[in-house]
Amino acid sequence: ELKVEQNPLFLSMQEGKNYTIYCNYSTTSDRLYWYRQDPGKSLESLFVLLSNGAVKQEGRLMASLDTKARLSTLHITAAVHDLSATYFCAVANNNDMRFGAGTRLTVKP
Amino acid sequence: DTAVSQTPKYLVTQMGNDKSIKCEQNLGHDTMYWYKQDSKKFLKIMFSYNNKELIINETVPNRFSPKSPDKAHLNLHINSLELGDSAVYFCASSQHGWTALGATNEKLFFGSGTQLSVL
Repeated sequence: ELKVEQNPLFLSMQEGKNYTIYCNYSTTSDRLYWYRQDPGKSLESLFVLLSNGAVKQEGRLMASLDTKARLSTLHITAAVHDLSATYFCAVANNNDMRFGAGTRLTVKP
Repeated sequence: DTAVSQTPKYLVTQMGNDKSIKCEQNLGHDTMYWYKQDSKKFLKIMFSYNNKELIINETVPNRFSPKSPDKAHLNLHINSLELGDSAVYFCASSQHGWTALGATNEKLFFGSGTQLSVL
């Protein structure tokens, strides 16, 4: 069974600081997604990572994928308040797709 | 124009009632999904339909019955609602099915969610 674990589940950080969210998964997969969800809103697709070593960046967010370690990271650089949201990773494998529990990020002034 | 729209946005009902949530996508996608997000924000897939055909049916009580009249619609009917059914239900769609997700940078597009409260 495909399992996805994110950590931390809660993250409070100061504006301007850097931090990384981790996503581990249990079985072989080379398709990994990162989504953002604002309170009361739907999920917004951020990144799709397709292969080992893939790195994608948009603004202050950078996602990477290591399929050998079954690990993806979402790195936040110089956080700003607008990044406060819940971030989900999701892993697809054949007919199975699983989401992590989400990381609730709060960026404080 | 909203790409994936679901109604209602909020649904408050009594235990034992039967209710439906509707979902429509205007993206021309072949595959639609229903997800349940519980109070801990954990998203779990419930069903997936590809061109009106059931592809994925996770371990969901048979009180939940999806219906796809055409590939642009996937409705979720719930019989005999229970307290534990309270959650946010998200509809989603993708151009193709699971196996294509990611192969061409394909993504899931989500609806805005239906918050179901069973009293």
